[in-house]
Amino acid sequence: DVKVTQSSRYLVKRTGEKVFLECVQDMDHENMFWYRQDPGLGLRLIYFSYDVKMKEKGDIPEGYSVSREKKERFSLILESASTNQTSMYLCASSPTGQGESQPQHFGDGTRLSIL
Amino acid sequence: GDSVTQMEGPVTLSEEAFLTINCTYTATGYPSLFWYVQYPGEGLQLLLKATKADDKGSNKGFEATYRKETTSFHLEKGSVQVSDSAVYFCAQLPNTGFQKLVFGTGTRLLVSP
Repeated sequence: DVKVTQSSRYLVKRTGEKVFLECVQDMDHENMFWYRQDPGLGLRLIYFSYDVKMKEKGDIPEGYSVSREKKERFSLILESASTNQTSMYLCASSPTGQGESQPQHFGDGTRLSIL
Repeated sequence: GDSVTQMEGPVTLSEEAFLTINCTYTATGYPSLFWYVQYPGEGLQLLLKATKADDKGSNKGFEATYRKETTSFHLEKGSVQVSDSAVYFCAQLPNTGFQKLVFGTGTRLLVSP
């Protein structure tokens, strides 16, 4: 089974801090994604990556950056945390499709609170 | 642009009741369609999928049929259990360009004994 592991289930940080959320997948997937999940808004894509050192903005990239130095690891960075970034953050990975759309596999999420 | 619309919840049912969660989509082509489930405190798990018109996805007693004519992918289960209580997300994956999922806002299902 595919395993997507997020480093923390719960995290509490202070306004202005630089925050790192880590995600590791063990299935050699090319694609990795970061979402945030908020009540009534569903999942919104922050950033994604389709290869090592490659990154693309999603729908809500403002206030975030990402890093993908190795294929298995995709980090989300909050440059200067603000209270409106309090949310559930979900990481996902998927292989590149070969004639069929490939589903994404998700981690258990990190519930981040910014005080 | 591409979008997914789900019925608002919560959906509240008694055990063994019939479940339908509606999902419709708008897309420029013919996307693949998915249902994901999120149990309390967990991430999303793929429940079922369908990749072309008239395909039926099924898993754990849940079913959904890809209806191109009505652009719908409604989730059904004949007899729900308390353990089915969760949030259900409908999603589409365009078949052109980079594969980014487009999610609905989710529907919470609450099943009581």
